[in-house]
Amino acid sequence: QVQLQQWGAGLMKPSETLALTCAVYGDSFSGFYWSWIRQSPGKGLEWIGEINHSGATNYNPSLKSRFTISVDASKNQFSLRMTSVTAADTAVYYCARMRATVTTIFDYWGQGTLVTVSS
Amino acid sequence: DIQMTQSPSSLSASVGDRVTIPCRASQSISTHLNWYQQKPGKAPNLLIYAASSLQSGVPSRFSGSGSGTDFTLTISSLQREDFATYYCQQSYNTPRTFGPGTKVDF
Repeated sequence: QVQLQQWGAGLMKPSETLALTCAVYGDSFSGFYWSWIRQSPGKGLEWIGEINHSGATNYNPSLKSRFTISVDASKNQFSLRMTSVTAADTAVYYCARMRATVTTIFDYWGQGTLVTVSS
Repeated sequence: DIQMTQSPSSLSASVGDRVTIPCRASQSISTHLNWYQQKPGKAPNLLIYAASSLQSGVPSRFSGSGSGTDFTLTISSLQREDFATYYCQQSYNTPRTFGPGTKVDF
């Protein structure tokens, strides 16, 4: 059974840098893309970007400049880094596995991390 | 970016009802459309992929239809555990985008 377990800071101050990590258990790490998605009351579900085991990335162009996704394939982990956080970045952040079938799907998700940005 | 719209944002139903939830894409996405169910405090859960394919383990009362720009999720006989929010998501291109969701409640 595939499990994604994520962790990282939950309370941040404006201008700080957010760092979240997601560990994958129970299946191969290669052969998939690994995504970060956030959910806020104001913007709903928003795809941030994705990475594969060799480090190839795709980002949401509207968010790209502040986000970096990296991978440590030796540990079956991938991470999200977001610089200069503001209150607008307050959201639940999810990691998810993207699998290609006849289309691409998010078939496994982490438990979510609530990130609150407040001074 | 492809914009996904879902209307209504909420609907009221009863156990045993047949429920249909629409979703529209701002441009043709063929059948690159997925549906997710989300309950409070939980991550979204994949129900339907490629517009009409049932994800493994999902009850057969869930079905999907549509192609191009208009899609529908149908629950044939609503069960108590189906009260939740439903999101459509296009997988045609990046950035991958979601609809705003339809909440199904009492």
